[in-house]
Amino acid sequence: AQSVTQPDIHITVSEGASLELRCNYSYGATPYLFWYVQSPGQGLQLLLKYFSGDTLVQGIKGFEAEFKRSQSSFNLRKPSVHWSDAAEYFCAVGGNTGFQKLVFGTGTRLLVSP
Amino acid sequence: DVKVTQSSRYLVKRTGEKVFLECVQDMDHENMFWYRQDPGLGLRLIYFSYDVKMKEKGDIPEGYSVSREKKERFSLILESASTNQTSMYLCASSLGQGFAYEQYFGPGTRLTVT
Repeated sequence: AQSVTQPDIHITVSEGASLELRCNYSYGATPYLFWYVQSPGQGLQLLLKYFSGDTLVQGIKGFEAEFKRSQSSFNLRKPSVHWSDAAEYFCAVGGNTGFQKLVFGTGTRLLVSP
Repeated sequence: DVKVTQSSRYLVKRTGEKVFLECVQDMDHENMFWYRQDPGLGLRLIYFSYDVKMKEKGDIPEGYSVSREKKERFSLILESASTNQTSMYLCASSLGQGFAYEQYFGPGTRLTVT
């Protein structure tokens, strides 16, 4: 069965600084990988996804993520963080289980300092 | 825009009560999902439905049941609420079966069982 690890519970970044959120997955084949963001009081919104092809994927709000098979990682990056990026970020993995069953990580809460 | 609405943002119930959480989507989506979100555990799938009157168990179905009588509505039922069911409940929907179809999330219902 697939699993996801987000090793950082909280991260604080200064506004304007770069950001990298870590995600490691466990799955036997090529996984489907996703990053979601949850702003306070909101549901989850899809930032980006990786299925195959180019290992660097671009998403909404200036985010990107890189799939590294050798490291079983799918880290999320943003070159310059804005105060509005403060939120909780979830990595998720989907496998070939038939239905659209996603397994989510435990989340990383991003705090942005002035 | 896809809209997924949940009947209540906050709900307080007593132990042993029967609780209904309602979710409605307005985009004729085939699939609907119920997750619960707990700190340190991320999102976990309770049940999902891929068609009217069809349902499949997720990872943590115990203590819950679901109902989907109409395509746009998916209900989560706690037959006899317990304090360990205090949580945030998120509903989602998607157009089709594969991971290419994005899951759209509602804002969540924060349920407290006392």
